[in-house]
Amino acid sequence: EAQVTQNPRYLITVTGKKLTVTCSQNMNHEYMSWYRQDPGLGLRQIYYSMNVEVTDKGDVPEGYKVSRKEKRNFPLILESPSPNQTSLYFCASSLSFLSRAASPLHFGNGTRLTVT
Amino acid sequence: ELKVEQNPLFLSMQEGKNYTIYCNYSTTSDRLYWYRQDPGKSLESLFVLLSNGAVKQEGRLMASLDTKARLSTLHITAAVHDLSATYFCALRGRTDKLIFGTGTRLQVFP
Repeated sequence: EAQVTQNPRYLITVTGKKLTVTCSQNMNHEYMSWYRQDPGLGLRQIYYSMNVEVTDKGDVPEGYKVSRKEKRNFPLILESPSPNQTSLYFCASSLSFLSRAASPLHFGNGTRLTVT
Repeated sequence: ELKVEQNPLFLSMQEGKNYTIYCNYSTTSDRLYWYRQDPGKSLESLFVLLSNGAVKQEGRLMASLDTKARLSTLHITAAVHDLSATYFCALRGRTDKLIFGTGTRLQVFP
């Protein structure tokens, strides 16, 4: 089944303890991206990647890192989480985000992160 | 910088009625997306609109794009309870970022 898989679904951690949220897609998509969703703010892009070893900042990259060593994986790393990073996080991928075909993003099921 | 504004933010409507959700954006974009999100769930793609005058329909939902007015609409025809969800529009900015509107939370009641 074609899907974007995020893990974990729920995560509670403490300030300053490094964590990684994994994201994997099995559709051979080139484009992958991370978003955070906060009430009243919609979805905001954190980082995106056009292809392996190519990553770029979105609108709210501060406090986050990403890597794209393989096409299928795009982990989100919080080196020193803070309470203002408590949010719902979504990973998404697309076959041809930039091309004229403009295929839509496929979203993972989300990771609800709480930082105390 | 691309800004995307949706209205209304909340919409409570009776079954059988028609209504429209509006998505205004501030600068040129070459594509517009509509997504649906059920409570506690992920986002599901509804439509991708690429050109001025584009219209797409799926069931009771119809989306249109007017690039000159920088406006997209999502029209709901004869609403049913199953359409209750939050609807987002999103556009690709010049730097390949995808900018989402704040969403319209739709509640359909009997």
